[in-house]
Amino acid sequence: TQLLEQSPQFLSIQEGENLTVYCNSSSVFSSLQWYRQEPGEGPVLLVTVVTGGEVKKLKRLTFQFGDARKDSSLHITAAQPGDTGLYLCAGDNTGNQFYFGTGTSLTVIP
Amino acid sequence: NAGVMQNPRHLVRRRGQEARLRCSPMKGHSHVYWYRQLPEEGLKFMVYLQKENIIDESGMPKERFSAEFPKEGPSILRIQQVVRGDSAAYFCASSPLGGGTTDTQYFGPGTRLTVL
Repeated sequence: TQLLEQSPQFLSIQEGENLTVYCNSSSVFSSLQWYRQEPGEGPVLLVTVVTGGEVKKLKRLTFQFGDARKDSSLHITAAQPGDTGLYLCAGDNTGNQFYFGTGTSLTVIP
Repeated sequence: NAGVMQNPRHLVRRRGQEARLRCSPMKGHSHVYWYRQLPEEGLKFMVYLQKENIIDESGMPKERFSAEFPKEGPSILRIQQVVRGDSAAYFCASSPLGGGTTDTQYFGPGTRLTVL
């Protein structure tokens, strides 16, 4: 089993603060994806990172793939209430399935 | 360009009944994945199918659960003789390239199954 551990599990912050969410594994992945899921909906893809050390930016969100392709981080600058949701990382090892992390539930308080 | 579609969105069954969950992949996608999610948890892989073939069912319980993806029509996840522990959200995802490649999966809105 290729486990992806996410931390923190729960995070509640004030609007305007910065935060970082981590996704760690002892396994190497060929790519890693980040999703955001809102209550009652399916996960929506935010980004895919492929190359070790890769950094991708999506407006106020910055994603980084570790050099060894075993871990990743998501940094949100100046969080807004619309960022509230469950953030999931998923690793792909070019096998038949994606391995999903345990999730980070983010609440941004106005 | 419609996304992944799942129906029904909500399904209520009594213990012992059958549940049928349907998934229509994105246009042009021939790879379908089913996942199960319990509240406040990540997604657990169940099964991966291509048209008319089950590629990997390592995450699916051996009994009562089955899946198919026929040549025509949606993919079906079938749960026979449901029990309360089957209550969960079931998500379908589709991809254009499938396993063995670096690919992206696109998710449907899910079916929330409640077993009374």
